[in-house]
Amino acid sequence: DAGITQSPRHKVTETGTPVTLRCHQTENHRYMYWYRQDPGHGLRLIHYSYGVKDTDKGEVSDGYSVSRSKTEDFLLTLESATSSQTSVYFCAISREENQPQHFGDGTRLSIL
Amino acid sequence: GESVGLHLPTLSVQEGDNSIINCAYSNSASDYFIWYKQESGKGPQFIIDIRSNMDKRQGQRVTVLLNKTVKHLSLQIAATQPGDSAVYFCAEILNTGGFKTIFGAGTRLFVKA
Repeated sequence: DAGITQSPRHKVTETGTPVTLRCHQTENHRYMYWYRQDPGHGLRLIHYSYGVKDTDKGEVSDGYSVSRSKTEDFLLTLESATSSQTSVYFCAISREENQPQHFGDGTRLSIL
Repeated sequence: GESVGLHLPTLSVQEGDNSIINCAYSNSASDYFIWYKQESGKGPQFIIDIRSNMDKRQGQRVTVLLNKTVKHLSLQIAATQPGDSAVYFCAEILNTGGFKTIFGAGTRLFVKA
């Protein structure tokens, strides 16, 4: 595995509560990404980061925010979780944006 | 484990047979292709990649073929084993000034013992 740790691995929470997912890497890669994976949709990019404090939106960014205060950590926050955000969330890293991405093992998030 | 895709195409092969998994892409600006394997409850795992200036690349028991004329990519797995059972999907890295990675939906490979 590429030295990527996601936490928590599983979480169940209620609609309207804030949720933060953490991705930690030990590879010193510049790029970090958050995806969600849902049946019938494959991987969809939420947000990505190209350096400390440098982030940009992906295709499904509404309802999500991110922060990267250190090279090794990329946080994904759901300010007020909704049932439509129930999904499996994957973090990925890459050395540069034209290099293959390597993935963590995901966080299964259920919002009731 | 998680259900990666309830409606994915499925390929069922006998243990020991060769498997061929196909992927079509649509963008001529793609200059790098990657195959991933995703087992139940895990993240996608890099298998093999190929640049657009190549038409074939071999790894351990896997071969990727690229046909740019018809925009088709395939992954061949030799002597398929039960441990190869997973969802496989391709990814393309587009070069349109900036770079963007696009992931395919995947094919579920089921290996019968």
